[in-house]
Amino acid sequence: DAGITQSPRHKVTETGTPVTLRCHQTENHRYMYWYRQDPGHGLRLIHYSYGVKDTDKGEVSDGYSVSRSKTEDFLLTLESATSSQTSVYFCAISEDRPTYEQYFGPGTRLTVT
Amino acid sequence: AQSVTQLDSQVPVFEEAPVELRCNYSSSVSVYLFWYVQYPNQGLQLLLKYLSGSTLVKGINGFEAEFNKSQTSFHLRKPSVHISDTAEYFCAVSGTGANNLFFGTGTRLTVIP
Repeated sequence: DAGITQSPRHKVTETGTPVTLRCHQTENHRYMYWYRQDPGHGLRLIHYSYGVKDTDKGEVSDGYSVSRSKTEDFLLTLESATSSQTSVYFCAISEDRPTYEQYFGPGTRLTVT
Repeated sequence: AQSVTQLDSQVPVFEEAPVELRCNYSSSVSVYLFWYVQYPNQGLQLLLKYLSGSTLVKGINGFEAEFNKSQTSFHLRKPSVHISDTAEYFCAVSGTGANNLFFGTGTRLTVIP
């Protein structure tokens, strides 16, 4: 299994509070991604990173920000959590190859009350 | 842009019976195609991938898929399912040279004893 950990694994927070999710990899892969998974929608890309300090928006980036100060860590921040951000969040990594095959972390279940 | 359609949201099948999970994609460019499996409360695991070459791709756990360019399909098959195959299956597409995966909404396979 690819060395990807996510923390926390579960979190309950209140509307309006800031939340930061962490993804940590031990594979030294260049690309890192944040997805959210919701019933009926599959996985949708929030943001991705193609190197330290290099990030770009995905399909559903509104309300989220990211940072990558080290190769191994990719942080996802909800500045002011809303109930619509209740979801399961997955981090993924991929090598710098044409196939861009992605490996996924175990996920973080976030509930915003 | 790419998109993926998984026509069946749920597929029940009896143990030791064959199964086919359908996936159609749309893309204006050449693509890479993937099938991922998600067991309960876990992340996604790559089952198989099509990059180029032979259109019949074999993956882990006895699964295989066939790339059909004219029908823009990448259906997943297994000749005899086991209880342990009960999971959610996601089809995904990536444009060559791109670093984004686009996922279908998933098919929940339930194997009935």
